[in-house]
Amino acid sequence: QKEVEQNSGPLSVPEGAIASLNCTYSDRVSQSFFWYRQYSGKSPELIMSIYSNGDKEDGRFTAQLNKASQYVSLLIRDSQPSDSATYLCAVKGYQKVTFGTGTKLQVIP
Amino acid sequence: GAGVSQTPSNKVTEKGKYVELRCDPISGHTALYWYRQSLGQGPEFLIYFQGTGAADDSGLPNDRFFAVRPEGSVSTLKIQRTERGDSAVYLCASSFGTSKGTDTQYFGPGTRLTVL
Repeated sequence: QKEVEQNSGPLSVPEGAIASLNCTYSDRVSQSFFWYRQYSGKSPELIMSIYSNGDKEDGRFTAQLNKASQYVSLLIRDSQPSDSATYLCAVKGYQKVTFGTGTKLQVIP
Repeated sequence: GAGVSQTPSNKVTEKGKYVELRCDPISGHTALYWYRQSLGQGPEFLIYFQGTGAADDSGLPNDRFFAVRPEGSVSTLKIQRTERGDSAVYLCASSFGTSKGTDTQYFGPGTRLTVL
């Protein structure tokens, strides 16, 4: 079992719809959870971080964390073509950060 | 500079050669990370520095890979006897290095290494 698992996609959504990206992790001592966006040929860019169970909202983005289920998700409301990218889930224990393979999102105009 | 910088942006070398990749972290960041990313994969952890010392080097794939950070700022990733399988984008990230879970990494633009 991989430490951080994501569906590779592509996930296709129409412009204006809600995109839902999911991630599961195996290490129960994980403390911090991050979503990064990566455009093709570019380096990862931090979108959201979440540390406590529940929801955290920032503009069109909402991160959701359920530590009991070892599950973290990212919702993107009113999806725009510019949101088309690969979204990386990252999980941090005490020091080391482990990344998933990423989910490719395509927002169709 | 405001962000993490990496040089060179691209490096093409021949199999068996030695290469050095440089990372200059954000000023004030004590933690520095090296990752390797292959096409279609997420970043793969290589090594983590806290200050001058390597706090976790468990991700280095073999003894051909070595990294230093002698003054606690700039870091150099060194690869000896390069192999074609070493071709990837090498990413550097830095953070404040606090023990809090809120410590966030910021990435540099990466160095694309191609071994012919």
